[in-house]
Amino acid sequence: DIVMTQTPLSSPVTLGQPASISCRSSQSLVHSNGNTYLSWLQQRPGQPPRLLIYKISNRFSGVPDRFSGSGAGTEFTLKIGRVEAEDVGVYYCMQATQFPYTFGQGTKLEIK
Amino acid sequence: QLQLHESGPGLVKPSETLSLTCNVSGGSISSSRYSWGWIRQPPGKGLEWIGRVSNSGSSNYNPPLTSRVTISVDASKNQFSLRLSSVTAADTAVYYCAGPVSGSGSGSFDYWGQGILVTVSS
Repeated sequence: DIVMTQTPLSSPVTLGQPASISCRSSQSLVHSNGNTYLSWLQQRPGQPPRLLIYKISNRFSGVPDRFSGSGAGTEFTLKIGRVEAEDVGVYYCMQATQFPYTFGQGTKLEIK
Repeated sequence: QLQLHESGPGLVKPSETLSLTCNVSGGSISSSRYSWGWIRQPPGKGLEWIGRVSNSGSSNYNPPLTSRVTISVDASKNQFSLRLSSVTAADTAVYYCAGPVSGSGSGSFDYWGQGILVTVSS
């Protein structure tokens, strides 16, 4: 199985300041078709997860442009340009390049 | 936009079979080359992929669960289902259905149901 490792596991951030979460995979996420199926999900308190970013850097429909994704191969990053109160929650990276799909442990974003 | 909704019993006895259904609305479950999945989240913990079924009926499961899980699709009802047999307390979790997943699309779970808490207890 591909192991997804996120850092940090907790991220206290000041409102209006940027935030960054890293995700490392135990092997390359480049699929044989050339795509890299690395996505980022947001789970607000008491809510189901929601797709934010897919294929490393593509924002899903309705996602604010303060969210951005980058990376390649085995190293990926989610950045929030300026954190807002509604961004509080847990963020997960997920790979769907190889079965079984796997998730990172989650990073809890909280306001200082 | 697609909406997914899980239904099923919230309480299952140990050794019995957990059965959940996900109803898809706002679009056809058979559209394009889609697959649909189940993910679970034990209380206070992270996400675990259970498995997925394509709209052609082929399925893939998480190896630790393979011997106990079946995911199937019923296109006539626009829904897909999860069955997990021989449950124990370790299977207590919020169960989410999600999808579609398309390799030519996002390659991830575009939409998620609200989740259903299933408790395994006698």
